[in-house]
Amino acid sequence: AQKITQTQPGMFVQEKEAVTLDCTYDTSDPSYGLFWYKQPSSGEMIFLIYQGSYDQQNATEGRYSLNFQKARKSANLVISASQLGDSAMYFCAMREGSRGGADGLTFGKGTHLIIQP
Amino acid sequence: GAGVSQSPSNKVTEKGKDVELRCDPISGHTALYWYRQSLGQGLEFLIYFQGNSAPDKSGLPSDRFSAERTGGSVSTLTIQRTQQEDSAVYLCASSSDRTTNNSPLHFGNGTRLTVT
Repeated sequence: AQKITQTQPGMFVQEKEAVTLDCTYDTSDPSYGLFWYKQPSSGEMIFLIYQGSYDQQNATEGRYSLNFQKARKSANLVISASQLGDSAMYFCAMREGSRGGADGLTFGKGTHLIIQP
Repeated sequence: GAGVSQSPSNKVTEKGKDVELRCDPISGHTALYWYRQSLGQGLEFLIYFQGNSAPDKSGLPSDRFSAERTGGSVSTLTIQRTQQEDSAVYLCASSSDRTTNNSPLHFGNGTRLTVT
């Protein structure tokens, strides 16, 4: 079974609208961390936001917020007031606590977001 | 610069040749990872180094792939007898702390390998 599932291969969104990128995960480890990365066409992987499994509140970083629903094993990324520069691939990733980071992050297949003017 | 540095940025090689990819992590980062990203795909874990400990090689796809990390810093990923299916972007990442979940991986810009 996939550990990280991103069900939206591609999305088109009008500029200034809010965007929600879906991510569900699968783990039996009670301790884990969830990450979102942005990969523009230039190729670099840019860390956006982190949510820990024990965090009581949803993480926020500027225009990015993470809608964390633990019971549903869901960690959707919300981008408010989208901009043309938000066009990129977005990857959801997870690190499970039991291996102490030994596997790094497990990544989903990504969502290709295109912001239209 | 202060980020993860990878070289070369692009590499074109003939099938059957060996290639070496280099990664210089962020200074002070003890954990180093290699990932592979095929066209339009997510990231595939290859290998993990923590300081001077023996690496976790569980993600290496075949025995043609090997990696080393000298002095707990610079790492080299070697692919022997390259095949066309090895064509991909090879990404290196480092992080500061392996014992907690919240240390993000910081990635280099990758090496785009094309095997002809």
